[in-house]
Amino acid sequence: AQKITQTQPGMFVQEKEAVTLDCTYDTSDPSYGLFWYKQPSSGEMIFLIYQGSYDQQNATEGRYSLNFQKARKSANLVISASQLGDSAMYFCAMRVNRGSTLGRLYFGRGTQLTVWP
Amino acid sequence: EAQVTQNPRYLITVTGKKLTVTCSQNMNHEYMSWYRQDPGLGLRQIYYSMNVEVTDKGDVPEGYKVSRKEKRNFPLILESPSPNQTSLYFCASSSYLRQGAREQYFGPGTRLTVT
Repeated sequence: AQKITQTQPGMFVQEKEAVTLDCTYDTSDPSYGLFWYKQPSSGEMIFLIYQGSYDQQNATEGRYSLNFQKARKSANLVISASQLGDSAMYFCAMRVNRGSTLGRLYFGRGTQLTVWP
Repeated sequence: EAQVTQNPRYLITVTGKKLTVTCSQNMNHEYMSWYRQDPGLGLRQIYYSMNVEVTDKGDVPEGYKVSRKEKRNFPLILESPSPNQTSLYFCASSSYLRQGAREQYFGPGTRLTVT
């Protein structure tokens, strides 16, 4: 069974500081992808970053980076230089690349990030 | 522009009144699915479809129906809505052929309230 765990229901960070949002996953499949999504109060799901299980380097997208530790099954999101607009719910998700689950994402429960001035 | 559209975006209805939430994608994706999001629970899959006329249950299918008569459309049907189906619903689509990072598209969401 596939499982995503986000242990931080809420996080607070001051503007311009870096913050790490934790995500651990569980799967026995060797081929999988890990995603982070941002959900502002308006509700839409915004894709942030992706890491494939065979990718050798950690993914980066602008101020977002994914700290991928395969042996520990963790995929933490690091946001550098936080901005007030980063205040949102953040979801970690996993897709297993096989069979009928190819299109499906398994989600964690989310972390509510608040950036204060 | 590649996109997934959902309608309506907001809906308030009463218990037992049948409703349909439409979902359409313009990317020729094979895989489409519906998720519901509830506070503290993340997103949970309701139903999915691997292609036209092929649908199957996700984790929380009770009280919902779907159909996939055309590749681009995947409507979610609530035959007799109940208050516990009050939620935020997302339609999503993706392709088997590419396992790349951005091949997961979400609709804008439908906020449903059942009174």
